[in-house]
Amino acid sequence: GAVVSQHPSRVICKSGTSVKIECRSLDFQATTMFWYRQFPKQSLMLMATSNEGSKATYEQGVEKDKFLINHASLTLSTLTVTSAHPEDSSFYICSATPGAGLDYGYTFGSGTRLTVV
Amino acid sequence: RKEVEQDPGPFNVPEGATVAFNCTYSNSASQSFFWYRQDCRKEPKLLMSVYSSGNEDGRFTAQLNRASQYISLLIRDSKLSDSATYLCVVNVISGNTPLVFGKGTRLSVIA
Repeated sequence: GAVVSQHPSRVICKSGTSVKIECRSLDFQATTMFWYRQFPKQSLMLMATSNEGSKATYEQGVEKDKFLINHASLTLSTLTVTSAHPEDSSFYICSATPGAGLDYGYTFGSGTRLTVV
Repeated sequence: RKEVEQDPGPFNVPEGATVAFNCTYSNSASQSFFWYRQDCRKEPKLLMSVYSSGNEDGRFTAQLNRASQYISLLIRDSKLSDSATYLCVVNVISGNTPLVFGKGTRLSVIA
């Protein structure tokens, strides 16, 4: 089945530093990947839609200059949290689908738990 | 109104019990529907897609009522391993549009 690899799985960083999260589709090409964030006991909230070869589309309230997304190839999208603050501590997760249609579903990366101290 | 609303839970049930989760969605243009399962501190994993005709996968049965914009999940003969958070998920257009998640319903199956 479709596999999405995400790393790191866990990262602890100091306030003010930047953290890069990678998301790779291993056995399919993903022209579009989605980045979500989940706070404790909350639902997954879409942050941005990453499109290969073009600029990402950010959801309202998500700072594009703070959460930099690069989707340089059909199998790799990266999310960089710049100048991280403690309130950025969350579970970040990417998602992609191998194709259109009901039966494919969406595959998720294993998530990155970010803690900013 | 939230796009996808679910029973808040938690549901605490004994092994062998039957439990039902409900979900409503607000966007009548929604076209695809899923139930995902999320274990603590893990990524969501697809449990099953939901079709208007209803579908069953072993102990799990999903139903969709487009007129009422209502989705359900029935779990029969609950196992300890069913303990997780169940996410109702909707998509307006399949393919390159993002999924919209409900907040999830937590299930704890007790021995």
